[in-house]
Amino acid sequence: KAGVTQTPRYLIKTRGQQVTLSCSPISGHRSVSWYQQTPGQGLQFLFEYFSETQRNKGNFPGRFSGRQFSNSRSEMNVSTLELGDSALYLCASRNMGQGNEKLFFGSGTQLSVL
Amino acid sequence: GESVGLHLPTLSVQEGDNSIINCAYSNSASDYFIWYKQESGKGPQFIIDIRSNMDKRQGQRVTVLLNKTVKHLSLQIAATQPGDSAVYFCAENSRQETSGSRLTFGEGTQLTVNP
Repeated sequence: KAGVTQTPRYLIKTRGQQVTLSCSPISGHRSVSWYQQTPGQGLQFLFEYFSETQRNKGNFPGRFSGRQFSNSRSEMNVSTLELGDSALYLCASRNMGQGNEKLFFGSGTQLSVL
Repeated sequence: GESVGLHLPTLSVQEGDNSIINCAYSNSASDYFIWYKQESGKGPQFIIDIRSNMDKRQGQRVTVLLNKTVKHLSLQIAATQPGDSAVYFCAENSRQETSGSRLTFGEGTQLTVNP
């Protein structure tokens, strides 16, 4: 079974631009979560999607948004990029159901904002 | 100027020794805990998990201990190998009212195994 796939692997953008990152979960996993990882803040939760609905949201500004499609694939978007948005963005999927909190992570998209 | 950021705890061990990585968690209501290993350039990889109704759980070469009284979690790696060199994160699950789930991660520990 293929793991969580994230594209692109690397991105370089300039301040003020917007970016869209893509994630394909493990087959059969219907929940997708996004995390931001930086040396300064560690791993921070962005949001979780299930059945095309945002179920949970972290403490990030409205410039960070996401969506999920009917095939469970997810995208996240960051608008008006700032230098501080440079980070590794990690997508994770899991099975829904009681006791299924285990997240499976992709390799991430490394975003550099210049 | 000096950069401000998380100071990653480090642990250096000799190959073949046992390693113990510690973690303090914050939410006494958390009911699920998990350890991840992250190698350079990769996403976090699941190692072992434990529920709050347990004190200890063993896997292959790894053991997780949970002390709810002092909100402490530890990961023990037996016969540490060079391939175990990585950053190790603990995480706690905070169940959300919306039936969602979110993991709160610790700062991580850099484990270095010397041959």
